[in-house]
Amino acid sequence: GAVVSQHPSWVICKSGTSVKIECRSLDFQATTMFWYRQFPKQSLMLMATSNEGSKATYEQGVEKDKFLINHASLTLSTLTVTSAHPEDSSFYICSARRVAGAPLDDEQFFGPGTRLTVL
Amino acid sequence: AQKITQTQPGMFVQEKEAVTLDCTYDTSDPSYGLFWYKQPSSGEMIFLIYQGSYDQQNATEGRYSLNFQKARKSANLVISASQLGDSAMYFCAMREVNTGNQFYFGTGTSLTVIP
Repeated sequence: GAVVSQHPSWVICKSGTSVKIECRSLDFQATTMFWYRQFPKQSLMLMATSNEGSKATYEQGVEKDKFLINHASLTLSTLTVTSAHPEDSSFYICSARRVAGAPLDDEQFFGPGTRLTVL
Repeated sequence: AQKITQTQPGMFVQEKEAVTLDCTYDTSDPSYGLFWYKQPSSGEMIFLIYQGSYDQQNATEGRYSLNFQKARKSANLVISASQLGDSAMYFCAMREVNTGNQFYFGTGTSLTVIP
């Protein structure tokens, strides 16, 4: 299957700093990528839909100024957590959509996730 | 209303036995897909099996099968011959074509395989 990478796989930062997480589709072009957040022992919560060349669409309750998303190319989307605080500590997972002929046949591939710890 | 409901927070199964993980869904979109993912402690989401809303037959992938009951809106995962490596979180998910193909995830079921 297709491969989606995330970098870094884990990061520890001080409160108040910004952290950038990259999501790359390695062997296909992805016009749409998704960013999820997962707290321990909980489900994945969709944060935003990242569209290449346009602004991201954020889910209700997600601060767009806090979680900046840039989808600058067909293989790269970045999530920047600005002025991170301990409550932002979480597991962040991206997925990339590979478009098929029919919408129901579209495939989504998940990255391995990034574990963020804010001290 | 919840799009995906998984009512079993935790399940135990004896090694080599079969286990069924429950999943019900809610949608009015005639075009949708149902997925099961395994998430081990490492965190990666491992795709297991997929069922399209128009598929007539239940999906099977090796030891995994999906019991698709469209009228009841259920999509239970059956794991046959459980192995110790099957211990993980399992998430049921749905994707609706009319909502831009975004995923809706259930709350997950933690499966523990007992030797």
